Amino acid sequence: EIVLTQSPATLSLSPGERATLSCRASQSVSSYLAWYQQKPGQAPRLLIYDASNRATGIPARFSGSGSGTDFTLTISSLEPEDFAVYYCQQRSIWPRVTFGGGTKVEIK
Amino acid sequence: QVQLVQSGAEMKKPGASVKVSCKASGYSFTGYYIHWVRQAPGQGLEWMGWINPNSGGTKYAQKFQGRVTMTRDTSTRTGYMELSRLRSDDTAVYYCARDLLPTEVTPGYFQHWGQGTLVTVSS
Repeated sequence: EIVLTQSPATLSLSPGERATLSCRASQSVSSYLAWYQQKPGQAPRLLIYDASNRATGIPARFSGSGSGTDFTLTISSLEPEDFAVYYCQQRSIWPRVTFGGGTKVEIK
Repeated sequence: QVQLVQSGAEMKKPGASVKVSCKASGYSFTGYYIHWVRQAPGQGLEWMGWINPNSGGTKYAQKFQGRVTMTRDTSTRTGYMELSRLRSDDTAVYYCARDLLPTEVTPGYFQHWGQGTLVTVSS
């Protein structure tokens, strides 16, 4: 099974700052990686798929990069509504899907 | 617009079974995989499996093999997830999610989500 390790576990930043979240895979997942945002009491929301494609309706301040085993989600300038938990997810070894453990972006 | 509406919260005793429904609207029901994902309190996301609403074909995560059954009713555009032999560590919010891509393309990303169903397992 592919293990996805997200870092850091918690990121403390202020609105307007840049957020950089990391996701590392235990083996190559090519570009078959997605990022989700989840706020308390809500279902997750797809942000990025295939490593760098923004999903419909996702603001341009969210961007994804990487391939193979190392991936990054960047939020260029944090808005108040961006403080949430972010998960990466791979579909490389289909039909086995796995999620990372999550990174919480909190207000500093 | 795409909507997935799930059934309400359930409370079950250990050893019992639970069946959660997911009613879809706003798109071609048979055109997209439906996945089930769960989240224990304060924990991360865990993929359980999928169903192809067109063929009825399923694939389950190894962890749930033998305990989970996913079905669908195309006449009512509803997917179902039944989990048997419940344990206390099955307490979680269970989500259905529609895939991003149509069934003709390799699936695996979750674009549209239901509101979640809390299943509590307690004696």
